[in-house]
Order: sequence, then structure tokens, then C-alpha cells
Amino acid sequence: QVQLVQSGAEVKKPGSSVRVSCKSSGDTFSRSAVSWVRQAPGQGLEWMGGIMPIYSTTNYAQKFHGRVTITTDESTSTAYMELRSLTSEDTAVYYCARGPLDILNPFDYWGQGTLVTVSS
Amino acid sequence: DIQLTQSPSSLSASVGDRVTITCRASQGISNYLAWFQQKPGKAPKSLIYAASRLESGVPSKFSGSGSGTDFTLTISSLQPEDFATYYCQQYTSYPLTFGGGTKVEIK
Repeated sequence: QVQLVQSGAEVKKPGSSVRVSCKSSGDTFSRSAVSWVRQAPGQGLEWMGGIMPIYSTTNYAQKFHGRVTITTDESTSTAYMELRSLTSEDTAVYYCARGPLDILNPFDYWGQGTLVTVSS
Repeated sequence: DIQLTQSPSSLSASVGDRVTITCRASQGISNYLAWFQQKPGKAPKSLIYAASRLESGVPSKFSGSGSGTDFTLTISSLQPEDFATYYCQQYTSYPLTFGGGTKVEIK
């Protein structure tokens, strides 16, 4: 059974950066694709980008291009999402979601979510 | 970007009702559509992929259909645990996009 366990809640100042981790267990991490999806309070789901470790390839939503970086550490089966230049608009729950091999495949497992609060 | 429009945005239904949610894509996406269920304070749960295939462990009261631009999610007999928000998502091209969600509430 695949499990994705994310890091804990964060409180950040405007202009700073945040890094959220997503540790995978129960499957072959390198043959998965991991995406990051966020959800602002009371809002819907928004895809930020994803990574395919087997191809060493990332793809980002244009909205976040230049401000987000998604990486993986295959030795620990962990994916990371770093978001820079934070504003209050980035206050949201951030989820990792995985699918087989390619980002353009359906998600089958989700992490529990990480609340990031941006406040001065 | 491919826009996904869900309707209705919310509905009230009773236990035992049959419920249908629609998702319309702004351009053809073949069958590259998934459905998710989200309960308050929880992560989304994958229900259906490839428009009509149930994820492992998802009860058969859930069904999906459609191809091209028009899709539906049907819950055959609504149970208390099914009251939640449902999202569709396309994965045929970047950026991946989601519908706005349909909140299913108790009547």
C-alpha cells in the first residue's frame, strides 16, 4: 500500500520561501510521478507542477513558473516543493499526489496535506 | 489551458437518491478524466480514472461515463458517507486542470 506522508504545517513571512516534503513508501518511487496541488481556504484544487524522476523531467504551471521548484531525493523516496517570494495569496493547503510513471497519468494516492500560512 | 466546468456547483439530496454530476471540457480530452471526492479537512480521494474506471477499493455505487468533452459522475444510491465535494480533473495535457467542484449536501 502506497503512503505519502508530508511535512508539518508552516507559518512564513511575506517574501520568504517554504519547502514542503512528501515521503513515499510502499512502491517504487523512481517509477512514480509526483505532482503538487494546492487549495486556498474555501477554494478548489490547483495544480502547481510535477516531476517524473525516471525521466529527470519537471513541468510547472505557467502561473508558478520561476517561483516554484520541485525536486526528488530517490535515496529517501522523498519529493520536495519549494515556493519562493511568498505572499498572503499563497496561504493554502499543499498536497502531493502520485501517479504511475508520467505526470500525464491519473493520481492514485495523495498526501495528507500541509498547511502553509503566510502572514506578517 | 483546458477549462473544466462542473454542474451543478452544489446540490442537496437525500439518502438513497441517485445523484449525477456533470463535467464539461473546453476542448476534447478523449477519456483522460478523473474524479475525486474530498471531505472537509481531508485530502482528496481518487474515485475514477479514464472517465469510467473505478480505482481499487471504490464501491460500485460510483460510476463514470463520457468521452470527448462531456462527462458524468453518478452515485447510484447516496449514503451518509458520500456527502462531500467532488472534483473532475483532466490529465491529457499541461497544465493539469480541475473543475470547480460540486458540493453534495444533505437535504
